[in-house]
Amino acid sequence: GAGVSQSPSNKVTEKGKDVELRCDPISGHTALYWYRQRLGQGLEFLIYFQGNSAPDKSGLPSDRFSAERTGESVSTLTIQRTQQEDSAVYLCASSYGGNTEAFFGQGTRLTVV
Amino acid sequence: AQSVTQLGSHVSVSEGALVLLRCNYSSSVPPYLFWYVQYPNQGLQLLLKYTTGATLVKGINGFEAEFKKSETSFHLTKPSAHMSDAAEYFCAVSGLSGGYNKLIFGAGTRLAVHP
Repeated sequence: GAGVSQSPSNKVTEKGKDVELRCDPISGHTALYWYRQRLGQGLEFLIYFQGNSAPDKSGLPSDRFSAERTGESVSTLTIQRTQQEDSAVYLCASSYGGNTEAFFGQGTRLTVV
Repeated sequence: AQSVTQLGSHVSVSEGALVLLRCNYSSSVPPYLFWYVQYPNQGLQLLLKYTTGATLVKGINGFEAEFKKSETSFHLTKPSAHMSDAAEYFCAVSGLSGGYNKLIFGAGTRLAVHP
């Protein structure tokens, strides 16, 4: 596609439910990032995929968070047993890897009630 | 491991005044440095980047930044602020560390421009 696509754009869920967020990166981009942006705060690194290498999961805040990526395409971020502190905008970005520019999606706004 | 510090979470300037947004980084390897901008209710977009070569980098909308290795800084400047520059600005660093290249962002600086 023309850009990084994320779905859904908005998600309201009840505390304790599981949610799945989707990211479609730009075609040909080998690297994919997930970030979390809480209201009024900066970008918190969550996870990084680069080609077929093992992902860098060092930013995942707890074992309730996990992410998968199919080859060099779609990625899903799953949050199990959501908590109110998980409410944030979740941003996905992709790039050609290395030190190249990352292109961002519009984000998924997650609200846990 | 890399890290980024942006001094000042909020900066306010008058229209026409100089814009200076500060960014200091920590990296054990030669860094690649980026500034991203996030306009209200929009996604992040690249403003400019430093990879190698000339240390003064020019970006979109009249912004520029200078890589100063001795000061580990990459401050963003614009000679004359415009109302449309009001946004959140993020500095980011990327560099091979632990086998990974990944973008690490600062906390952001919200720029307000008043008449």
